[in-house]
Amino acid sequence: RKEVEQDPGPFNVPEGATVAFNCTYSNSASQSFFWYRQDCRKEPKLLMSVYSSGNEDGRFTAQLNRASQYISLLIRDSKLSDSATYLCVVVGGSYIPTFGRGTSLIVHP
Amino acid sequence: ETGVTQSPTHLIKTRGQQVTLRCSSQSGHNTVSWYQQALGQGPQFIFQYYREEENGRGNFPPRFSGLQFPNYSSELNVNALELDDSALYLCASSAATGGFEDTQYFGPGTRLTVL
Repeated sequence: RKEVEQDPGPFNVPEGATVAFNCTYSNSASQSFFWYRQDCRKEPKLLMSVYSSGNEDGRFTAQLNRASQYISLLIRDSKLSDSATYLCVVVGGSYIPTFGRGTSLIVHP
Repeated sequence: ETGVTQSPTHLIKTRGQQVTLRCSSQSGHNTVSWYQQALGQGPQFIFQYYREEENGRGNFPPRFSGLQFPNYSSELNVNALELDDSALYLCASSAATGGFEDTQYFGPGTRLTVL
């Protein structure tokens, strides 16, 4: 089993839709969790950190489920500009970050 | 823009050659990490440097080595290039005192092609 797994997609949704991605991790000692966004042929950029209590930033909500070892990202009211690849990052007990392969989101008019 | 710069942007090498990639960190950042991103994959952590010392290493062979300079710029060196080394190489700087708790700011990457 891979350390960090994501459904590569693509998720193809209309503008205004709500879409959710999950990311599972295998190391129960993992310490920190993040979502990064990567546009085509660009560098990754931090979207949000994921806190144990869950956190929200505008249309984006991130949650952590330690019991089931996954993190999630919910995007409400999708915009065309949300089209990108979303990478989850898990920092394990050795403090090494592991990226998932990314989930591709395509928002169409 | 993140303020992290990398050079060169593209590079073509042949198998067996050596390559040096460069990264200039964002001002005020003393930690730099290097990643390899193959096509269709997420970035894979190579190593991190903090205050000129290696501070964590991923599952990469010793022919991948690095340096961090007093001005916090950094180099990634790869010896004996293999075809599978073809990838986008990303560096990321942060203000974290080693570790990954702080936001990492990525540079635009160097695309290496090994023929």
